[in-house]
Amino acid sequence: DAGITQSPRYKITETGRQVTLMCHQTWSHSYMFWYRQDLGHGLRLIYYSAAADITDKGEVPDGYVVSRSKTENFPLTLESATRSQTSVYFCASTTSGPVGAQYFGPGTRLTVL
Amino acid sequence: KQEVTQIPAALSVPEGENLVLNCSFTDSAIYNLQWFRQDPGKGLTSLLLIQSSQREQTSGRLNASLDKSSGRSTLYIAASQPGDSATYLCAVRGDYGQNFVFGPGTRLSVLP
Repeated sequence: DAGITQSPRYKITETGRQVTLMCHQTWSHSYMFWYRQDLGHGLRLIYYSAAADITDKGEVPDGYVVSRSKTENFPLTLESATRSQTSVYFCASTTSGPVGAQYFGPGTRLTVL
Repeated sequence: KQEVTQIPAALSVPEGENLVLNCSFTDSAIYNLQWFRQDPGKGLTSLLLIQSSQREQTSGRLNASLDKSSGRSTLYIAASQPGDSATYLCAVRGDYGQNFVFGPGTRLSVLP
């Protein structure tokens, strides 16, 4: 029972580079989410997806791109990384409808130099 | 816009004590409320989920209550243990979308 996996777990990159964080879930959950967690800001939603090919912006979407061609995968791309995007990124999923619980992946710690 | 607060921000108790963590939210139109635990450097682990129609949920030494009309939830931990030391977060799911709004968390330390 793998649940949600994220890769890589740690990433160091340089300003201006493109970076893609991967998220994979084995439950066939409809909804998937990307959050970033920063000291002083807590967890903030970047993007979410209600189903394959359906995505929508969250609270802090600028500088990020998502896609969802398959239900189980929800990659997050930083098109041109900036130092302010140094953070811990969490992927999560939940079943469709209003009553489902949210389950989180282990996170990716990204450092932008 | 939904806002979620948690009090206290940090709490330190001796082992064996019963304790209560508080979560407040500004918009009572929610589908559910979920409590999580986060250990340092780790992801969030789901503890309890309370639907809007429910008053409480229990799992082992944990009991979560929900008073939707007053915008409050409490997480009660009985007979605390050092292994309970972690940050506890609550999150509400609004009925106007699929977004979850998280509180800032309460950092709990249980001293042996």
